[in-house]
Amino acid sequence: NAGVTQTPKFRVLKTGQSMTLLCAQDMNHEYMYWYRQDPGMGLRLIHYSVGEGTTAKGEVPDGYNVSRLKKQNFLLGLESAAPSQTSVYFCASSLTSGGPNEQFFGPGTRLTVL
Amino acid sequence: AQSVTQLDSHVSVSEGTPVLLRCNYSSSYSPSLFWYVQHPNKGLQLLLKYTSAATLVKGINGFEAEFKKSETSFHLTKPSAHMSDAAEYFCVVSGVTGYSTLTFGKGTMLLVSP
Repeated sequence: NAGVTQTPKFRVLKTGQSMTLLCAQDMNHEYMYWYRQDPGMGLRLIHYSVGEGTTAKGEVPDGYNVSRLKKQNFLLGLESAAPSQTSVYFCASSLTSGGPNEQFFGPGTRLTVL
Repeated sequence: AQSVTQLDSHVSVSEGTPVLLRCNYSSSYSPSLFWYVQHPNKGLQLLLKYTSAATLVKGINGFEAEFKKSETSFHLTKPSAHMSDAAEYFCVVSGVTGYSTLTFGKGTMLLVSP
């Protein structure tokens, strides 16, 4: 099992450009999540999905969109990138939500917006 | 609402000495608590989790944590630090049920000197 994979690993954008980050999991998990990690801030939830075809906003959703067309994939889009979106982005998945359900994390995507 | 406070942003120890990383939590319900570790330029890996079965939880690589309800604490300890323990550690709290998500602390960077 590959677990949770993310593509790309690194990306540099200019302000105003768009891009899509892809997350894939092979554990048949229902729940998937997108976080951003900034120095001294821990991880903050951007959007999440409780199943194929569903998405919901997290703590910091502005400037991002997501889609979950297939159970195994969760896409994060930036329509018009801003320097404030420079961050490391992590995708995670879990079998269910709440309680002791562990989230499994991908290796991250380092995004720089100039 | 739930929250996590990691009391130290950085902890420095010498190899072979004990490690103590402190975490206090706030939750309206009996929480599930986790410690994750992140090595440089890597994703997050679960160290251990508390699920109310036992207050002393043992994790991987010799780490353990004790849940103290009266003190609302979940401190992470290890008897003897190894150079490979140098990493950032996150204390995380989860809600009880439903579409609850994880709330991360801001992280503690563990530095291990020879």
